[in-house]
Amino acid sequence: KNEVEQSPQNLTAQEGEFITINCSYSVGISALHWLQQHPGGGIVSLFMLSSGKKKHGRLIATINIQEKHSSLHITASHPRDSAVYICAVHSNTGNQFYFGTGTSLTVIP
Amino acid sequence: KAGVTQTPRYLIKTRGQQVTLSCSPISGHRSVSWYQQTPGQGLQFLFEYFSETQRNKGNFPGRFSGRQFSNSRSEMNVSTLELGDSALYLCASSWGIGGGNNEQFFGPGTRLTVL
Repeated sequence: KNEVEQSPQNLTAQEGEFITINCSYSVGISALHWLQQHPGGGIVSLFMLSSGKKKHGRLIATINIQEKHSSLHITASHPRDSAVYICAVHSNTGNQFYFGTGTSLTVIP
Repeated sequence: KAGVTQTPRYLIKTRGQQVTLSCSPISGHRSVSWYQQTPGQGLQFLFEYFSETQRNKGNFPGRFSGRQFSNSRSEMNVSTLELGDSALYLCASSWGIGGGNNEQFFGPGTRLTVL
């Protein structure tokens, strides 16, 4: 069973479009992380959330603890946003990280 | 401040051999976590070290081990390599024990190929 489910798996968008990536999880968590991975492997931490909403530039992340759901939004998407976006949760029992399988985003100029 | 560094970046080994990977965290960070990434399984947590002690461990066989030194640098060892160990191995550092309320900073990874 997958503790973290992401959707969609693949996403193609036109430059300028508003993008939403969803993450649902089944374990109790102390924090949820959104990660970005570009071709070549490097991973960057975008957000760490335990409640509410965070915004950084064109990126917005929200989390609903009761519904065990988080969303990552990208406003005014740009080709440089093309990457794999990974949702990860830190379980509050067992102190482990569980990862989603990632959403591959391609933004076309 | 220098980022997380991992050495080597690429490695080719044969089945049955062992390998040691190294991770140097950001200066001042005391926690180092290791992850394995494969196309089939995605990212999986291996273990976390904090102040030279293994704090958490994922579901990997005992062939996977690690240690952390007093300067917070960490090494990961895989013995008796199998073809399925071919993967990108990532380490991440954080100021406190990672995951809960500490942002993790990832290194570039070591790509291990087992032939």
